[in-house]
Amino acid sequence: GAGVSQSPSNKVTEKGKDVELRCDPISGHTALYWYRQSLGQGLEFLIYFQGNSAPDKSGLPSDRFSAERTGGSVSTLTIQRTQQEDSAVYLCASSPPGGRAYNEQFFGPGTRLTVL
Amino acid sequence: SQQGEEDPQALSIQEGENATMNCSYKTSINNLQWYRQNSGRGLVHLILIRSNEREKHSGRLRVTLDTSKKSSSLLITASRAADTASYFCATVSYNTDKLIFGTGTRLQVFP
Repeated sequence: GAGVSQSPSNKVTEKGKDVELRCDPISGHTALYWYRQSLGQGLEFLIYFQGNSAPDKSGLPSDRFSAERTGGSVSTLTIQRTQQEDSAVYLCASSPPGGRAYNEQFFGPGTRLTVL
Repeated sequence: SQQGEEDPQALSIQEGENATMNCSYKTSINNLQWYRQNSGRGLVHLILIRSNEREKHSGRLRVTLDTSKKSSSLLITASRAADTASYFCATVSYNTDKLIFGTGTRLQVFP
């Protein structure tokens, strides 16, 4: 079946503009995660959705970052008033039911964001 | 914050040799997972080892876990050029719902 998809694959924007990044998880997966990866670095957790529970937003770096997940499926990560330090690859992952992160995560190809 | 720290940061070997990567972590965990990343994009899950397991195999991969030392190792046997990638360990604690990734090991396998 189809894997996790993300769009756009690349986004170039000017400093101060808002951007929206989209993630379509695997059908039936209840958990959805957003990560950020700066060049040559590991993954930084941003936010986690599990079913209808309140999301875990503990990794969001500032109030310019927000995310929503509509209908328990598609998720959008929004960055307002982008800064150059926001430039990174944003990765989305989903995992099947089973509770918590006790299962493997399936990653999308990522969105490479460049803020000029 | 980074939970896992991999070493070495970079590793270069010839095809056919074995590659060993290590991961250390700080807190008690429920499980530890290894992922591979090609070309800085999506990650692929390789193997998951639970805290009550000490060793696990999958094809040419062998993972060990020592909870007393809070460390894990990933061994790739008979490496191939196609194994060239970055490898990350990630841990899941009992009271959290998220993976915490290490900084990764960049593996280069020369044909």
